[in-house]
Amino acid sequence: GEDVEQSLFLSVREGDSSVINCTYTDSSSTYLYWYKQEPGAGLQLLTYIFSNMDMKQDQRLTVLLNKKDKHLSLRIADTQTGDSAIYFCAETVTGFQKLVFGTGTRLLVSP
Amino acid sequence: DADVTQTPRNRITKTGKRIMLECSQTKGHDRMYWYRQDPGLGLRLIYYSFDVKDINKGEISDGYSVSRQAQAKFSLSLESAIPNQTALYFCATSGMRGEYNEQFFGPGTRLTVL
Repeated sequence: GEDVEQSLFLSVREGDSSVINCTYTDSSSTYLYWYKQEPGAGLQLLTYIFSNMDMKQDQRLTVLLNKKDKHLSLRIADTQTGDSAIYFCAETVTGFQKLVFGTGTRLLVSP
Repeated sequence: DADVTQTPRNRITKTGKRIMLECSQTKGHDRMYWYRQDPGLGLRLIYYSFDVKDINKGEISDGYSVSRQAQAKFSLSLESAIPNQTALYFCATSGMRGEYNEQFFGPGTRLTVL
């Protein structure tokens, strides 16, 4: 079945690294995504990773994928107050033309 | 101009009223989606449409209906609103390529049912 889980809250200090974790249960997942939702706005794609990759880096963002454990993580280096938002992981399941979203992790960055 | 727009942005209504939420897009995408967001539950899919003649139920379609009036327009209706339909509603579009399904979201409609 499809089930994507995340912890609900993460609090860090400005300049620290943030790590947001996600677990999924469907091993047939092809693409996995990280979306960011800023206050009062819709979701916006932050980055994605294809299932045949273990890691993807994009400036301050690093995505790690452990297919054996069905675990996905998003690391934000040098976290800034502007990174405060809700972060959602999501998967595209083979044969299903829709996304399954996680519960979202609210990241709070304090000065 | 925004690629995906939703109207209204905020709505307060009473139990039993009929409500329509509208979504328009200028991205030229065939695929459109309606989600609701509740704290701690993430986004849940209500309905999705792959073209004007193809509409599908999502995981929580009970109490909702949709209409795909044109490629660019997808409306969500609550025939008789109830308080547990109070939520943030998002429309999204996708120009899916193979299995890659990046979705583009509207700004959301905050609906309160009293």
